[in-house]
Amino acid sequence: DVKVTQSSRYLVKRTGEKVFLECVQDMDHENMFWYRQDPGLGLRLIYFSYDVKMKEKGDIPEGYSVSREKKERFSLILESASTNQTSMYLCASSLPPPPNYGYTFGSGTRLTVV
Amino acid sequence: SQQGEEDPQALSIQEGENATMNCSYKTSINNLQWYRQNSGRGLVHLILIRSNEREKHSGRLRVTLDTSKKSSSLLITASRAADTASYFCATDPTIILTGGGNKLTFGTGTQLKVEL
Repeated sequence: DVKVTQSSRYLVKRTGEKVFLECVQDMDHENMFWYRQDPGLGLRLIYFSYDVKMKEKGDIPEGYSVSREKKERFSLILESASTNQTSMYLCASSLPPPPNYGYTFGSGTRLTVV
Repeated sequence: SQQGEEDPQALSIQEGENATMNCSYKTSINNLQWYRQNSGRGLVHLILIRSNEREKHSGRLRVTLDTSKKSSSLLITASRAADTASYFCATDPTIILTGGGNKLTFGTGTQLKVEL
């Protein structure tokens, strides 16, 4: 069964800590994405990557960075965690078009910053 | 920015009834997709409809797309308690970036509750 695996389901970190969220996919997908999900705001794109060592900013990149050293792994980094980064973080991957495919999501990491 | 807006925000029905959710969007799209999310979990891809299609079926799911009105609907027929979840529409923009593409924009979702 193909899957996207996020390393932690729940994470509690302190303000100011550097936080790493890991995402690994076993489907040989070129495209990988990081979203955060907040009540009433839906999913918002933080960063995405179309290839190894390639990254592009999404709609809300401030306070985040990413790393993609290998095709299967896409890491989200919170440089200095703040309480407003408490959220559900979702990683996804997909094949590039054409044709267009849907995303495969991980189970999510619920991050609490205290 | 939110491209898709689902309506209603919440929907409660009895098992066996049909559930209809609507999605409106603002800009041109290449395709529109629907996803399901069980509480506290990741999203699962349900169905994709291309901009040149008007209707698509998958099992108990029926999706329509009206590009002139920039709207889509998801119909779940003969609903079951297991259909209880949040449902999101996601739009794929017209412009396909070289070497990439399919950067989806998600709506805020419809929470569906199916009661026994």
